[in-house]
Amino acid sequence: DSGVTQTPKHLITATGQRVTLRCSPRSGDLSVYWYQQSLDQGLQFLIQYYNGEERAKGNILERFSAQQFPDLHSELNLSSLELGDSALYFCASSVRPAVVETQYFGPGTRLLVL
Amino acid sequence: GNSVTQMEGPVTLSEEAFLTINCTYTATGYPSLFWYVQYPGEGLQLLLKATKADDKGSNKGFEATYRKETTSFHLEKGSVQVSDSAVYFCALIPTGAGSYQLTFGKGTKLSVIP
Repeated sequence: DSGVTQTPKHLITATGQRVTLRCSPRSGDLSVYWYQQSLDQGLQFLIQYYNGEERAKGNILERFSAQQFPDLHSELNLSSLELGDSALYFCASSVRPAVVETQYFGPGTRLLVL
Repeated sequence: GNSVTQMEGPVTLSEEAFLTINCTYTATGYPSLFWYVQYPGEGLQLLLKATKADDKGSNKGFEATYRKETTSFHLEKGSVQVSDSAVYFCALIPTGAGSYQLTFGKGTKLSVIP
């Protein structure tokens, strides 16, 4: 158990819908990262927050957004869902954004868009 | 841009066999290099890392040496066990990255049979 929790574990929805994925980082970790794992694209970085502020964006679609709240949990919002958004979404956390700080991954949320 | 290339899987080995999973990278400067492991149904766990050339990362019998001259970070283990069956990801964080997001290879699935 990494100490990072993600809910829900599984999510099945329809095209065009909107969903929210939640992540609680390890106690004491200020930095949260979101990654998408799909069969065709592999593991890709989406977005990072540090202490409530957006720090970096990767290959995140405009239909996707995220935020980190004062209690440091983070939410990833996916809207106007398409079949191709079906994937495993991981959240990771670290104490701070630094190479020396290990990123601890949650168990992921598996999203299936029908 | 930055990228990581891993050997294609799946790899099937008998218990106690020697394991090598090849990983090469493309990045400017001196990236930090990582191996992560994903057991079935779980999130990713850091296996080992190396942050400068000629460093050797090691953990749980696994080793990898950061070779700048060949831009490689091959994972090795002298004697694999059934419990090592998992997907292994090579990853990097580039030098001077402001956000420290991981760039992953496609992953190599390892199956160890008794």
